Amino acid sequence: GDSVTQMEGPVTLSEEAFLTINCTYTATGYPSLFWYVQYPGEGLQLLLKATKADDKGSNKGFEATYRKETTSFHLEKGSVQVSDSAVYFCALSSNTGGFKTIFGAGTRLFVKA
Amino acid sequence: EAGVAQSPRYKIIEKRQSVAFWCNPISGHATLYWYQQILGQGPKLLIQFQNNGVVDDSQLPKDRFSAERLKGVDSTLKIQPAKLEDSAVYLCASSLGGRGTNEKLFFGSGTQLSVL
Repeated sequence: GDSVTQMEGPVTLSEEAFLTINCTYTATGYPSLFWYVQYPGEGLQLLLKATKADDKGSNKGFEATYRKETTSFHLEKGSVQVSDSAVYFCALSSNTGGFKTIFGAGTRLFVKA
Repeated sequence: EAGVAQSPRYKIIEKRQSVAFWCNPISGHATLYWYQQILGQGPKLLIQFQNNGVVDDSQLPKDRFSAERLKGVDSTLKIQPAKLEDSAVYLCASSLGGRGTNEKLFFGSGTQLSVL
């Protein structure tokens, strides 16, 4: 079945460091890919998405490119801030089984001042 | 625009007791989801409704969990009887329900359940 695998955390970085959180997926059909973020004390919210191969999703300085050849959707940010500290979830939605959205296990990011 | 509303925010029960959670999705959203998020794990889909019909409940433990969506709007998720391993955050989400793969999900704040 469809699945999402993302790098284990926690990831601890200093402010202004470069961030990469790896995400790979397994899916039949042509899924859309997402990154959701959960800030401390808040609910999950969509960060960015890409709906087809080679699409790049971007928001708030974060980027991720849909790579069909490597079945990956890695999240990157050039310069993290303390306010980026959160849990990041990679997710996919495929057109099999009723368009359900499947999430990875999440990666916790700590950014130190 | 009002978000997805869930209640209660927290619930503590003893094993073998029953519990119910309530969700009010964003107005006009046809699709409603219940996810279970165990500490340290990603959300796991329990059940997905399209209006008041069930689209997917393949991971719902039907011997103890039940869910309904009255008139295609509000939804309740019930656990009876609860087990220790049911301790988790129960998330409700909704989406427009356009039957595509690029649907954005809107999440509520969740109900944190502790089973003692």
